[in-house]
Amino acid sequence: QVQLVQSGGEVKKPGASVKVSCKASGYTFSNYGISWVRQAPGQGLEWMGWISPYNGNTNYAPKLQGRVTMTTDTSTSTAYMELSNVRADDTAVYYCARGAWNNWGNWFDPWGQGTLVTVSS
Amino acid sequence: DIQMTQSPSSLSASVGDRVTITCRASQDISTYLNWYQQKPGKAPKVLIYTASSLQSGVPSRFSGSGSGTDFTLTISSLQPEDFATYYCQQSYTTPPATFGPGTKVDIK
Repeated sequence: QVQLVQSGGEVKKPGASVKVSCKASGYTFSNYGISWVRQAPGQGLEWMGWISPYNGNTNYAPKLQGRVTMTTDTSTSTAYMELSNVRADDTAVYYCARGAWNNWGNWFDPWGQGTLVTVSS
Repeated sequence: DIQMTQSPSSLSASVGDRVTITCRASQDISTYLNWYQQKPGKAPKVLIYTASSLQSGVPSRFSGSGSGTDFTLTISSLQPEDFATYYCQQSYTTPPATFGPGTKVDIK
C-alpha cells in the first residue's frame, strides 16, 4: 500500500536548523509531487511548499522563502524538508503528503504520520 | 491568494444526527475543493475530492456538494468515529494550497 513514513520528533534551540525526512513506499516515487504541511499546537493546517521528485522543482510559501529547503533522494524514495533559523513559532507537527490528481483537481493523499518539532531554549 | 472560510467553527451533535459544514472561497474555484478529516493526534485524511467525489474506503454517509464559491460537507448520520475536525482545501490555484480554518465536531 502507498505509505509515507516520517522521521522522529526533534527538539531544537532557536536559531538552529531542523531536517525532517519522509520515506515513500508502494508507488513510483518520481511520479508524484510531495507537499509539506505544518500544524502548530491547537491550530489549523498551513501549506509550506511542494517538490517534484521527478525534476526537483520546488515552490515554497512566501512566508517561509529563504528559510525552507525541500529536497528528494530518488534512490531511497525519500523527501526532506529542512527549516533553518528556527524560532518558537515554528513549533509544530510537520506532515508530508503525496499529491494526487485527476482531470478535475488535485488533493493530498496519503499523509505521513507527522513529526513534532519543538523549538525551545 | 484564495482565502477559505468555514462555518461553524465548532458544533456539538449527537450520534445519528445529520451534520452540515459549509466552506466558502474568496473567489470562484469551480469544483477544485477537497475535504479532510483529522482526529486528535493523527494526520488528516481525505474524505471528498473535487467537491463531490468520495475517496475510496470512506463511508457513504459522507457527501460533498457545491461549486463556485460555496461548498458543503454533509454527514448523513453521525457515528461515534466521526467526531473530529474537518478542513476544506482549495486546489484551484496550487501552489499555494489553502486550507479552511477547520470545523470541530464534538459530542453533545
